[in-house]
Amino acid sequence: GAGVSQSPSNKVTEKGKDVELRCDPISGHTALYWYRQRLGQGLEFLIYFQGNSAPDKSGLPSDRFSAERTGESVSTLTIQRTQQEDSAVYLCASRSNEGNYGYTFGSGTRLTVV
Amino acid sequence: AQSVTQLDSQVPVFEEAPVELRCNYSSSVSVYLFWYVQYPNQGLQLLLKYLSGSTLVKGINGFEAEFNKSQTSFHLRKPSVHISDTAEYFCAVIYTGGGNKLTFGTGTQLKVEL
Repeated sequence: GAGVSQSPSNKVTEKGKDVELRCDPISGHTALYWYRQRLGQGLEFLIYFQGNSAPDKSGLPSDRFSAERTGESVSTLTIQRTQQEDSAVYLCASRSNEGNYGYTFGSGTRLTVV
Repeated sequence: AQSVTQLDSQVPVFEEAPVELRCNYSSSVSVYLFWYVQYPNQGLQLLLKYLSGSTLVKGINGFEAEFNKSQTSFHLRKPSVHISDTAEYFCAVIYTGGGNKLTFGTGTQLKVEL
């Protein structure tokens, strides 16, 4: 597609429930990133996928967070047993392997845990 | 740990006045530097980036930034702002050797007033 697509755009969930967030990267982009943006704060790195290499999970805040990506396609970020502090906008970005570091961000999923 | 500092959380300015948004990063051998803008309820849009070459970088919408290695800074400037420049501005850095992850500052809210 023309851009990075994220779904849903908004999600309200009850505390303790699991949620899945989806990211469709730009076709051909080998790298995919997930970030979290809490209200009034900057973006926190969560996880990074590069082709078939092992993902860099160093930013995941707890074992309730996990993400998958099959090849160079769709990625899903899963949050288990959601807590109120998980409320944030979750942003996905993809990047091609060209040396221009052209990251493209999606519009994000706004997650609200009530 | 590598970090990015945006000291000003909010910058109010009158229309047609000049503006500078400050960004400093942790000292490192080699970095790539970025400024992104986020309009309300939208994704991040790249304003400009420094990868190599001239330390003065020109971006979209009349913005420019200057890479100063000795001061580890990458301040964003515009000589004359417009109401439409009201947005959140994020400075971001890639510390080379760190997996091509963007490390973001906490953002600066630019509010342009008549």
